[in-house]
Amino acid sequence: QVQLQESGPGLVKPSETLSLTCAVSGYSISSGYYWGWIRQPPGKGLEWIGSIYHSGSTYYNPSLKSRVTISVDTSKNQFSLKLSSVTAADTAVYYCARHREIGGVAGTIYYYMDVWGKGTTVTVSS
Amino acid sequence: SYVLTQPPSVSVAPGQTARITCGGNNIGSKSVHWYQQKPGQAPVLVVYDDSDRPSGIPERFSGSNSGNTATLTISRVEAGDEADYYCQVWDSSSDHGVFGGGTKLTVL
Repeated sequence: QVQLQESGPGLVKPSETLSLTCAVSGYSISSGYYWGWIRQPPGKGLEWIGSIYHSGSTYYNPSLKSRVTISVDTSKNQFSLKLSSVTAADTAVYYCARHREIGGVAGTIYYYMDVWGKGTTVTVSS
Repeated sequence: SYVLTQPPSVSVAPGQTARITCGGNNIGSKSVHWYQQKPGQAPVLVVYDDSDRPSGIPERFSGSNSGNTATLTISRVEAGDEADYYCQVWDSSSDHGVFGGGTKLTVL
């Protein structure tokens, strides 16, 4: 049974960098799939942040791309999120999730999230 | 960027059928996925690829997708189905995930 667990500081100061890690158990990241991050501000909806393959190939949300870096450590079977220059608007519950792929027409690939971590709350405040 | 539109809320009596819509430009040409999120919990996938159900999800949950609207249908609604529901697609033009704004399902 695949399980994901987020970890990291619950409080980050404005203008600093938010850093989170997602530990994967029950499945080797090196075996495949994309792995990614989604966040949810208090009382609001879900926002997709980005995802990474074990090779290091990444996809990022265009609205966050300039501030986001996702990396993978296959030796530790985990992947990480860094979000720079944070503001109060980055306060949210951050989830990590496994991304499954579906093949579409003309070789298009679509992704959805089939396994989620429980989430970790990050507050941006001085 | 691709936009998905959901009604903020849907209400239904127990035992009735709930239909939650997700609108998007030519969404029928995309693969749509649905997540259920109960308060204080992580989202759970309930329908993927328009109409497929993950193992463990009751047959009461079904999906369809055509034209500019995808629909999640919950038959014989139970009190335990009360939750927020989100649709999601992959925007292949810019390779990123997109969620709808979410719909709160209230069981009367």
